[in-house]
Amino acid sequence: GENVEQHPSTLSVQEGDSAVIKCTYSDSASNYFPWYKQELGKRPQLIIDIRSNVGEKKDQRIAVTLNKTAKHFSLHITETQPEDSAVYFCAASSDYGQNFVFGPGTRLSVLP
Amino acid sequence: IAGITQAPTSQILAAGRRMTLRCTQDMRHNAMYWYRQDLGLGLRLIHYSNTAGTTGKGEVPDGYSVSRANTDDFPLTLASAVPSQTSVYFCASNRGGGDTQYFGPGTRLTVL
Repeated sequence: GENVEQHPSTLSVQEGDSAVIKCTYSDSASNYFPWYKQELGKRPQLIIDIRSNVGEKKDQRIAVTLNKTAKHFSLHITETQPEDSAVYFCAASSDYGQNFVFGPGTRLSVLP
Repeated sequence: IAGITQAPTSQILAAGRRMTLRCTQDMRHNAMYWYRQDLGLGLRLIHYSNTAGTTGKGEVPDGYSVSRANTDDFPLTLASAVPSQTSVYFCASNRGGGDTQYFGPGTRLTVL
C-alpha cells in the first residue's frame, strides 16, 4: 500500500521568511496530492492540492510542486505570517477510496 | 445541515461501555472515513466506506465497527471502550478516490 513520509516534523521560521515542507510517496498509482492545515483544536482543512498532470500550482502565498518521477511533492509558503502557525499534513491518493494516506504532519511555528 | 457534522462534540466514557459516534454529511458524497488523532500525532484511518452498503478496514480497525446504511450517515461504534481509545475522532467524506476529503469538527473522546 501507499506510504507517505513528511519532513521536517517541526519547522520554525521568522515572520516574513519562506517555509518549505516536503513529502515523498511510494505508490506510483497515486494521482492526487492535497495539503491540509490544522490549527490547534480544529479540524484539518484543505489549503491547496495538485493532480498528477500538473507540476506546480500556486494560490497567493502558497504553492505546491510535484515531481512524479521522484515521487515527491512540496508545500511552499512565502512571506509567512503568525497565523500560518499550525500543523500541516500532506496526503497522497489514487482512484481507490481506501488509498488516501496522510503524512505524519509538520508543526510550523512562525515567530514574530 | 451544511457540510459534515459529528456528535457528540466530546464525551467522557467509562471503560467497558458501548459508545456510538455519529457522522452525517449532506453533500451526497459517496465515500466516508473515520480517523483517530492522538495528542500531537497524525491521522490514522480506522474504517472507510466507498459507497452506501459497503465498508472496509483501515490502519487501526480493532475495537471499532461501522455501518453505512445510507449515503448520509456513517456511525462509528466502540463495542467495549478501553482507555487506549482516548483520542479525537474525525469523520471525513468525499466524492470518491482521488478527490478532496472534507472533515467534520471532531469528537473528543476520553475513556477512563
